[in-house]
Amino acid sequence: SQQGEEDPQALSIQEGENATMNCSYKTSINNLQWYRQNSGRGLVHLILIRSNEREKHSGRLRVTLDTSKKSSSLLITASRAADTASYFCATDANQGAQKLVFGQGTRLTINP
Amino acid sequence: DAGVTQSPTHLIKTRGQQVTLRCSPKSGHDTVSWYQQALGQGPQFIFQYYEEEERQRGNFPDRFSGHQFPNYSSELNVNALLLGDSALYLCASSSHRVQQYFGPGTRLTVT
Repeated sequence: SQQGEEDPQALSIQEGENATMNCSYKTSINNLQWYRQNSGRGLVHLILIRSNEREKHSGRLRVTLDTSKKSSSLLITASRAADTASYFCATDANQGAQKLVFGQGTRLTINP
Repeated sequence: DAGVTQSPTHLIKTRGQQVTLRCSPKSGHDTVSWYQQALGQGPQFIFQYYEEEERQRGNFPDRFSGHQFPNYSSELNVNALLLGDSALYLCASSSHRVQQYFGPGTRLTVT
């Protein structure tokens, strides 16, 4: 079963705009990770945020984590056509166990 | 440095048959995890292998089994295939409990 839900399920924006995706989960976590998947192929790791962190940046990506609400958000700024992909959040409940529990994903389309 | 590789890329099987999927981890990695991703869904954890033993297992029936070899490569075996086993099977490798790296996946179609 899935850990949680991602919102929205699909998002379509114009190139240059910012994209925000949300993830909710159900149980306590050690860390939360975001992945990108192009055309149903392998997953690319984007960013990891630990349960004691509230915000993390990597290039055009900004991730926030609110453990009291069991939710996270991924912001992609200044979107590009190459950002078109599915984005998944995944939680890891036990430190280092790496039994990732994924959400159902957000399908992001960047229109040129 | 080669990343995680999986074979074959695509596979078509008939209900009731058995299938074996293969995964070679990234160089230096000793832990391999397998995930099943149905169309339109997020990946679901099947099991994880470390030191040639199954360390963790998800909610999958015994028809799903695996193996890890001394060179850390791994196989996923599925017996008595069902239509519902059609999915993308992803392998991920890691070492010392740091970030997992995913392979490109094997697309299994059961007819």
